[in-house]
Amino acid sequence: GENVEQHPSTLSVQEGDSAVIKCTYSDSASNYFPWYKQELGKRPQLIIDIRSNVGEKKDQRIAVTLNKTAKHFSLHITETQPEDSAVYFCAARSNTGNQFYFGTGTSLTVIP
Amino acid sequence: DGGITQSPKYLFRKEGQNVTLSCEQNLNHDAMYWYRQDPGQGLRLIYYSQIVNDFQKGDIAEGYSVSREKKESFPLTVTSAQKNPTAFYLCASSIGGGHNQPQHFGDGTRLSIL
Repeated sequence: GENVEQHPSTLSVQEGDSAVIKCTYSDSASNYFPWYKQELGKRPQLIIDIRSNVGEKKDQRIAVTLNKTAKHFSLHITETQPEDSAVYFCAARSNTGNQFYFGTGTSLTVIP
Repeated sequence: DGGITQSPKYLFRKEGQNVTLSCEQNLNHDAMYWYRQDPGQGLRLIYYSQIVNDFQKGDIAEGYSVSREKKESFPLTVTSAQKNPTAFYLCASSIGGGHNQPQHFGDGTRLSIL
């Protein structure tokens, strides 16, 4: 089955700096990669996603890059704000089924 | 994601008791999922269902059971065989059918042992 690894597990940045979270996956059949933000005690919410036919996608301060050859994808948050503080999860979905495989999460703290 | 409703928000289980967590969606999604989240941990898949009357075990199915009698409902029963049930339980749904669309999550149920 698929194995998704996520790094780092914790990340602290100064307000206004950039944050980068990296994930790797093992199944070359995976073709869809969503990113979720989870605030304490709340539901995970989709913040951005990318499909395997695209190398990069941006939405305002958030971007995701995908390298299919190396089997890794990354989340980039620019001009970080205190409200960006949360746990971020990457996930991968294989085209052989409807199961999503999640990374172990990155706890991001933005220091004002 | 107002389309997925989990209830109750908090649940307490006595030793030897089975409890059922409710998950209802009005998104017309085919696929539904149950995850367990322990403090500071990621999401671990308990069960998932791709279509009505069908479901598959996830990574940690032991001590849990599910049913999928209706498209919009996917209840999870935590049985007395689950010795460490204290966790945050999340239900999710997706369009399914091979479409690359995200999962939508409910607000979760926090289960504790009395």
